[in-house]
Amino acid sequence: EIVLTQSPGTLSLSPGERATLSCRASQSVSSNYLAWYQQKPGQAPRLLIYGASSRATGIPDRFSGSGSGTDFTLTISRLEPEDSAVYYCQQYGSSPITFGQGTRLEIK
Amino acid sequence: QVHLVESGGGGVQPGRSLRLSCAASGFTFSSYGMHWVRQAPGKGLEWVAVLSFEGSNKYYADSVKGRFTISRDNSKNMLYLQMDTLRAEDTAVYYCAKAKTSSGSHAFDIWGQGTMVTVSS
Repeated sequence: EIVLTQSPGTLSLSPGERATLSCRASQSVSSNYLAWYQQKPGQAPRLLIYGASSRATGIPDRFSGSGSGTDFTLTISRLEPEDSAVYYCQQYGSSPITFGQGTRLEIK
Repeated sequence: QVHLVESGGGGVQPGRSLRLSCAASGFTFSSYGMHWVRQAPGKGLEWVAVLSFEGSNKYYADSVKGRFTISRDNSKNMLYLQMDTLRAEDTAVYYCAKAKTSSGSHAFDIWGQGTMVTVSS
């Protein structure tokens, strides 16, 4: 099983700043099958990024993904108040599918 | 409008069974792999099971293997999760989610709103 470790656990930033979230895998993620999701309180997760760097439909270009192998990054430029949420990475290249433990992003 | 709507959650005693349903609309349900994902209160996301578009390939997390069964009825645009021998640690919000491909081996682009399952005596 591929274990995904996200850092930091919590990130507190101001509107307009840039957020950098990390996801490290215990072994190489096949074909860079790595996704990022955003989850707000009381809501279902929403797909942001798939294939490590492809934005999902309707996702603003402030959200970008990068990385390969075992190290992946979600970058949110020009933070807005509505970006406050928990962000999860997920690998779907190997069974079982696994998620990281999440990074909580707080907007001051 | 693409929608997934789960139902069937509720309170149940340990050892008992429950069947969750997920109604799909707004897309060609029979063309996509479907998943169940759960989230225990205050915790992260845990993948539970996947079923390919035609129902021939299914895989489970070790934590539910042998107790849970995923199935689908493409004629009714419905996904199911039969949960038997429930344990307290199965308490969670259960989400159904659509994969971006027919096999299910892809990211989850559509999620339902979730249904809560509470296992307690």
